[in-house]
Amino acid sequence: DAKTTQPTSMDCAEGRAANLPCNHSTISGNEYVYWYRQIHSQGPQYIIHGLKNNETNEMASLIITEDRKSSTLILPHATLRDTAVYYCIVTYGQNFVFGPGTRLSVLP
Amino acid sequence: GAVVSQHPSRVICKSGTSVKIECRSLDFQATTMFWYRQFPKQSLMLMATSNEGSKATYEQGVEKDKFLINHASLTLSTLTVTSAHPEDSSFYICSAPSGGGFLREKLFFGSGTQLSVL
Repeated sequence: DAKTTQPTSMDCAEGRAANLPCNHSTISGNEYVYWYRQIHSQGPQYIIHGLKNNETNEMASLIITEDRKSSTLILPHATLRDTAVYYCIVTYGQNFVFGPGTRLSVLP
Repeated sequence: GAVVSQHPSRVICKSGTSVKIECRSLDFQATTMFWYRQFPKQSLMLMATSNEGSKATYEQGVEKDKFLINHASLTLSTLTVTSAHPEDSSFYICSAPSGGGFLREKLFFGSGTQLSVL
């Protein structure tokens, strides 16, 4: 079973920041938080991952709370192409278990 | 990032036939690859772990004689759906880990194969 809880769906206006939350209250000390997204009928795409520090790359920012029990993925300027299902995964090593994810709809 | 190539992207076959799906790591070597299955409006479910040079490891409830996995080289894994039936119709996705050492592995995914069994 997935170790994370995410909202089923979210809407975001185009050009605004999209903030996707994820709860992982049972995370272990050596487990990383990964974010992937899946656009319809495609394979999942890696976005970002982190252990305890906040991370930023060209796609997004990942904010992890100090107790590591939750995190937020931030897409700073959402576009229509960011409409997808976003998966938050907590894992150590290669065991990636996908939950239902959050369906993000970016609206014009 | 690393590229995982999966073929074919779509296949339609008659019931009772076998279908082979290929998964290649294009610019890195993968001693392990993973095969997932995704039914409509559902999440990805891990089917099996493919290991180069040894037998695949199957998740509970996945029939190893029906879903044959061969990891022939460090860049190629194949999934063969034998004697396919309509209930095997699904989106099959492969993945391979790459980069950063064991604790910072990223999984890179193929584009998926939509199998439709008539």
